[in-house]
Amino acid sequence: GAVVSQHPSWVICKSGTSVKIECRSLDFQATTMFWYRQFPKQSLMLMATSNEGSKATYEQGVEKDKFLINHASLTLSTLTVTSAHPEDSSFYICSVKGSYNVNEQFFGPGTRLTVL
Amino acid sequence: GENVEQHPSTLSVQEGDSAVIKCTYSDSASNYFPWYKQELGKGPQLIIDIRSNVGEKKDQRIAVTLNKTAKHFSLHITETQPEDSAVYFCAASIYNNDMRFGAGTRLTVKP
Repeated sequence: GAVVSQHPSWVICKSGTSVKIECRSLDFQATTMFWYRQFPKQSLMLMATSNEGSKATYEQGVEKDKFLINHASLTLSTLTVTSAHPEDSSFYICSVKGSYNVNEQFFGPGTRLTVL
Repeated sequence: GENVEQHPSTLSVQEGDSAVIKCTYSDSASNYFPWYKQELGKGPQLIIDIRSNVGEKKDQRIAVTLNKTAKHFSLHITETQPEDSAVYFCAASIYNNDMRFGAGTRLTVKP
């Protein structure tokens, strides 16, 4: 399967600041990338889907102006949490999907965001 | 849209015993059913998957069964080991569409 990395693995920031999380597909051309949020002891909640070169499609209830997603290339997507607040503290996970096998998704290791 | 239900939410077994986790899905058009293992503080890892044209798939101690008529699929882990302890998620998707996850099962294997 694909090797997916995320950076940073954890970040602590002050309320009101913006945080950028990178998701890289190291050996795989990711035509589609997904961003999930996971609260403690809960399942993965899809936030948005992005196709390379296109605007992201956000799930209902996810503010697109707060969670900015850029899928600039087949190997890189970024999620920027703008004006972060304590309620944005969560585990953010990206996944990638290619064009060859359109079902399989490969997940990154996740980024733990803590907003003070 | 697709709705995936997963049971049980927690499962505790003795080392060497078998563990079974069950999921049901709502959309009969779903054709891909993966299972993920997530360890604490890490992203989910695909452990096995099955497609709708297959009823059963096995990989060493792990097997998955699919009943399309009843719209349910199950994960079977035999000869469990302490390192199998983790949270397991089932998921379902329709060709080229989003994947929907179950709520997860926390498996504890007692040595």
